[in-house]
Amino acid sequence: QVQLQESGPGLVKPSETLSLTCTVSGESISPHYWSWLRQSPGKGLEWIGYVYGSGSTDYKSSLKSRVTISLDTSKNQFSLKLTSVTAADTAIYYCAKDYMVRGLNRGFDPWGQGTLVTVSS
Amino acid sequence: EIVLTQSPATLSLSPGETATLSCRASQYIGNYLAWYQQKPGQAPRLLIYDVSNRATGIPARFSGSGSETDFTLTISSLEPEDSAVYFCQQRSDWRTFGQGTKVEMK
Repeated sequence: QVQLQESGPGLVKPSETLSLTCTVSGESISPHYWSWLRQSPGKGLEWIGYVYGSGSTDYKSSLKSRVTISLDTSKNQFSLKLTSVTAADTAIYYCAKDYMVRGLNRGFDPWGQGTLVTVSS
Repeated sequence: EIVLTQSPATLSLSPGETATLSCRASQYIGNYLAWYQQKPGQAPRLLIYDVSNRATGIPARFSGSGSETDFTLTISSLEPEDSAVYFCQQRSDWRTFGQGTKVEMK
């Protein structure tokens, strides 16, 4: 049974870079798609982007200039970097596995428990 | 960006009743719609994908229907454990989520 766990700083200063890691247990990350999402009272649930086991990525267009998602197969982890953060980036950040059926993403499941990141000086 | 509008904001029902949740898309999304359940302090859990297909391990009392821009999640024979916020999500154009419907028990 695959499980995901987010880790990283809970407090980031404005204009700095938010960095989070998702550790996957129960299966190899290599042949799958993995996503980052976030949830805030103001914006609700928001998909940020995904990384595939080959290293290919895709990002939400409005965040593309600030986001990098990468993976470390040796550690069975994937990571999120979000640069130039502002208070609007304060949210619970989730990592999730893309739920694939016949080769297409149909949703996200399972998810990690989430980690709250606050942007404040 | 495709906007998903969910209604009502809150449903207050008794155990054993049927919950009917609505999700309306701002433009045509075909059958590219999923539903999630989120309990307090927990991450969302996928219930339904592609309008009407239950994800692995989801009870049959959860069912989905609809097409084009109007979709419905039906929860039959409500159980106390079904108290949660339910979100819809589309994958027709990137991925966006609705704002959620809270189901609470009387």
